[in-house]
Formats: sequence, C-alpha cells, structure tokens
Amino acid sequence: AQTVTQSQPEMSVQEAETVTLSCTYDTSESDYYLFWYKQPPSRQMILVIRQEAYKQQNATENRFSVNFQKAAKSFSLKISDSQLGDAAMYFCAYSKNDMRFGAGTRLTVKP
Amino acid sequence: DSGVTQTPKHLITATGQRVTLRCSPRSGDLSVYWYQQSLDQGLQFLIQYYNGEERAKGNILERFSAQQFPDLHSELNLSSLELGDSALYFCASSVLADTGELFFGEGSRLTVL
Repeated sequence: AQTVTQSQPEMSVQEAETVTLSCTYDTSESDYYLFWYKQPPSRQMILVIRQEAYKQQNATENRFSVNFQKAAKSFSLKISDSQLGDAAMYFCAYSKNDMRFGAGTRLTVKP
Repeated sequence: DSGVTQTPKHLITATGQRVTLRCSPRSGDLSVYWYQQSLDQGLQFLIQYYNGEERAKGNILERFSAQQFPDLHSELNLSSLELGDSALYFCASSVLADTGELFFGEGSRLTVL
C-alpha cells in the first residue's frame, strides 16, 4: 500500500518569511498525482497545489510552489511571503487509485 | 463552496446506536470517497465508490458500511457506535475513478457519548 510521510508535526514561520514543509511517499507506480491540502480551523479541506508525476516541471500557484523529486519520492511545499491566513494544518496526499494522506503538519505564522 | 454537500453537519448520539451520514457529490462527479478524521489526526481513507460500485476499500470497520445510489449520492452507515468513533467524517467527490483532485464537503462531526 502507498504511504505518505510528513516528518514535521509542527512548523513555525515569521510573517513575510518563507517556510518549507516536507513530504515523502512510497510507491511502485510511475504515474500518479500528488497534492497539498490546507485545513484551517474551519476544518474545510482546501486544495493548495497539485502535481502530476509525469510532469518534470514543479507546480506553482502564486506564493505556493513545490519541489518534486520523483526518484527520491519527495514532494515538499514552499510557502513564500507567509501570511497570517496561511496558518493551518497542511496535508500531503498521494493519489493513484484512491487518495491517501499524510499525518499533517501544523503551521503557525507569527506576526 | 466545493459543491459537495454533507448532512448532518453535527450529530450527537450514544454508544451502541446507529447513524447514517449522507453525501451529495458535485454535479457530474461519479466517484465518492469517505474519510474519517479523528481529533488532531490525519484523514483515514474508508471507502470509495464509482458510479454505484465499490471501487476501493481502506481501513473501514465491519460495523461501518456504505453505498452509492443511482442518483450518485452516498450514505455511510455507522452501527454499534463506540466512543472511539467520534470524529469528523468527510465525503469527497471527483469526476474520474482514478483520482485527480478531490473536492471535499464540510464534513459531518459525530460525537458519541
């Protein structure tokens, strides 16, 4: 079974600074999707960014970008110019036949 | 608004009881997924349906069952409830069976007393 590991239970960043959240996964597949979801205190699951494994180019969405290392099975999320509204739980997810999530990283943003 | 509707939003019940959680997927989405999120935990995959058929099963207890109806809405039935079943239950939907992006409902918060 595919597993997703987020090794940082908690991270903290100063407002306007940059933070990187780590994610590794285990799979024998060559074609799959990877995602980062954000879960604010409201508990709603919000898609932050997605990456197709067949694409070599790293995905970016405004202040959010990923570093996708397929051979290393690594998929980190970089948040630039951090804002107070970025404070949330962040979940890394792997998707092939279904979607599996990591345990999450709680991000705190300090003013 | 993701377009996925879950009811009820909150539910309080007693141990040993049975409850049904309902999910209406986004218009056009054929695939429905159920996840359980216990307090401060990640999302545990329970089960997936595609166009009425069970497609994938995760760590779903035998006391739990689900189905997807011809109109594509889905129900998750939880029986013989235990205190440990207290959690947020998410439904998500997608167009395809092999998932691209999932669209999540707001969740149903179940409290078992």
